[in-house]
Amino acid sequence: SQQGEEDPQALSIQEGENATMNCSYKTSINNLQWYRQNSGRGLVHLILIRSNEREKHSGRLRVTLDTSKKSSSLLITASRAADTASYFCATFLQGAQKLVFGQGTRLTINP
Amino acid sequence: GAVVSQHPSRVICKSGTSVKIECRSLDFQATTMFWYRQFPKQSLMLMATSNEGSKATYEQGVEKDKFLINHASLTLSTLTVTSAHPEDSSFYICSANLAGGRNEQFFGPGTRLTVL
Repeated sequence: SQQGEEDPQALSIQEGENATMNCSYKTSINNLQWYRQNSGRGLVHLILIRSNEREKHSGRLRVTLDTSKKSSSLLITASRAADTASYFCATFLQGAQKLVFGQGTRLTINP
Repeated sequence: GAVVSQHPSRVICKSGTSVKIECRSLDFQATTMFWYRQFPKQSLMLMATSNEGSKATYEQGVEKDKFLINHASLTLSTLTVTSAHPEDSSFYICSANLAGGRNEQFFGPGTRLTVL
């Protein structure tokens, strides 16, 4: 079964606004990663946050991790139409040496 | 970053035929590769972990005799869908682990399989 649950499942906002997506997971992790997928295409790795990190930034992306709540959030600031895509969190499970993906959030940025 | 390729990008086949999908790490060696399946508007589901020189490890519910995995070299893993049926139509994505402690996987562009 999927490790992670993401919310919301779909998000539609206006260009320029900020988009926040959340991810929850169930078991202990080594790290958590966020990916973007444009329709029908492969995955693009966005950011990796280790279990001992609480926040990480990359350009317009900000990721937080709360291991006590087993949750993470991805914030995209000043959204652009090109940010329209599906976003997935994926947890790298300790010991299992594999990535398990959340259900994903379909983000639509309206011009 | 590390590059992973897949071939073919799209394949259409008749029911009952077998289809082979290749996954290559182009500029690095990958002792471990992973195969995922993604149905429309759904997430990626891990099918199996492919280890160079040994048998693949399949996830629960994935038929190993139907989805044959071969990882004969450090840069190539193949997935063969045997006796494909329409319900096997899906997007198949591979990834490869970049060794060095970051546990970061690099994903191929995916293969769209349509079984008629």
